[in-house]
Amino acid sequence: DAKTTQPTSMDCAEGRAANLPCNHSTISGNEYVYWYRQIHSQGPQYIIHGLKNNETNEMASLIITEDRKSSTLILPHATLRDTAVYYCIVRGRSSNTGKLIFGQGTTLQVKP
Amino acid sequence: GAVVSQHPSWVICKSGTSVKIECRSLDFQATTMFWYRQFPKQSLMLMATSNEGSKATYEQGVEKDKFLINHASLTLSTLTVTSAHPEDSSFYICSASRGPLSNYGYTFGSGTRLTVV
Repeated sequence: DAKTTQPTSMDCAEGRAANLPCNHSTISGNEYVYWYRQIHSQGPQYIIHGLKNNETNEMASLIITEDRKSSTLILPHATLRDTAVYYCIVRGRSSNTGKLIFGQGTTLQVKP
Repeated sequence: GAVVSQHPSWVICKSGTSVKIECRSLDFQATTMFWYRQFPKQSLMLMATSNEGSKATYEQGVEKDKFLINHASLTLSTLTVTSAHPEDSSFYICSASRGPLSNYGYTFGSGTRLTVV
């Protein structure tokens, strides 16, 4: 599975959009991009995933560049409860191991 | 749907004793579950893959005799930390998927904070 690179930390003002970047320049054609977040002292929470098209759900939007080498998770109206560590993970759809390997993630601090 | 329950949420035990942590998929069957460990200010580290009806697969560097995993049914996996020592104090988290990862994300339990004194 391809390696991802994320900024260590980011700040965002409450009510504004939070844009979290992820670089996955070695991604291969059959690998998906997954986003999870972990609020302090809780288990990770699934946010969204995508292959090449932009995706949107009730939590967030995922924008994947045309070359698929990077992506951006967008929280349209960040709230204080969105303060968490956000993990971008690249994984093959047909991977037989089924493992999710977490990197260091981005600590998002939403400020009032 | 897709709820994973983990119990207990926290436990304190004496050094040398064993602790069992349960992970249950409440509304779906999970043939595969995963166990992670997380130290303060660090990311999740995969410990092992738990397969229903067969032996668990451990990641490199994880002692299988110390971290016993049993996946006796399609809804329950247990992790037993044997002869626990203070360095085993950590946040243990399990996860499971209700189906192919391409269609479903993994659901994680709420975690168990183990403190060995």
